[in-house]
Amino acid sequence: KQEVTQIPAALSVPEGENLVLNCSFTDSAIYNLQWFRQDPGKGLTSLLLIQSSQREQTSGRLNASLDKSSGRSTLYIAASQPGDSATYLCAVRYNFNKFYFGSGTKLNVKP
Amino acid sequence: GAVVSQHPSWVICKSGTSVKIECRSLDFQATTMFWYRQFPKQSLMLMATSNEGSKATYEQGVEKDKFLINHASLTLSTLTVTSAHPEDSSFYICSAPPMGGAGEQYFGPGTRLTVT
Repeated sequence: KQEVTQIPAALSVPEGENLVLNCSFTDSAIYNLQWFRQDPGKGLTSLLLIQSSQREQTSGRLNASLDKSSGRSTLYIAASQPGDSATYLCAVRYNFNKFYFGSGTKLNVKP
Repeated sequence: GAVVSQHPSWVICKSGTSVKIECRSLDFQATTMFWYRQFPKQSLMLMATSNEGSKATYEQGVEKDKFLINHASLTLSTLTVTSAHPEDSSFYICSAPPMGGAGEQYFGPGTRLTVT
């Protein structure tokens, strides 16, 4: 059974800190992995997509890495800002019809 | 970037009535769209896969006669919650991977359904 776990469930940091969000998955035969951001009561905004053949992707202050063999992905946020406060979700895709979401990490960046 | 819209953004209905939610891809075509449900403080759970020109496929435990899905065109999928009950109150989100894309999903803004 495919399971996706995100740690920590919640994180509160002062502005300017670098931080790491973790995502682990039980089945390493993934197609791709995608990180999303969700603001309260809103839909999902795609942040980064990593194909199974890739090891990392970068966009601005965000960097996501993928280690299939250990079943892990990390999202690194540099120089955090209050506007980064949101829930971050990772989603693992195994085939065209199957996406599995983690329960999310709720991030609060304090000014 | 690719944009997915949903309508309505929120709806309140009485128990026993039906509600239709639309999901549109505005600037790309999608042969497949996905419908998710999200309860408060929980993650997204896939309900069904909407396939253009054919029947939808439902996840285990999701009643296909209660959640009717129609994928009318390459840019539109609808989810109809029939005979809604208070326990159907939730946040419904659709997503779509663009045809010919890299497998990335784009999500709609969601529809908040409240059944009284």
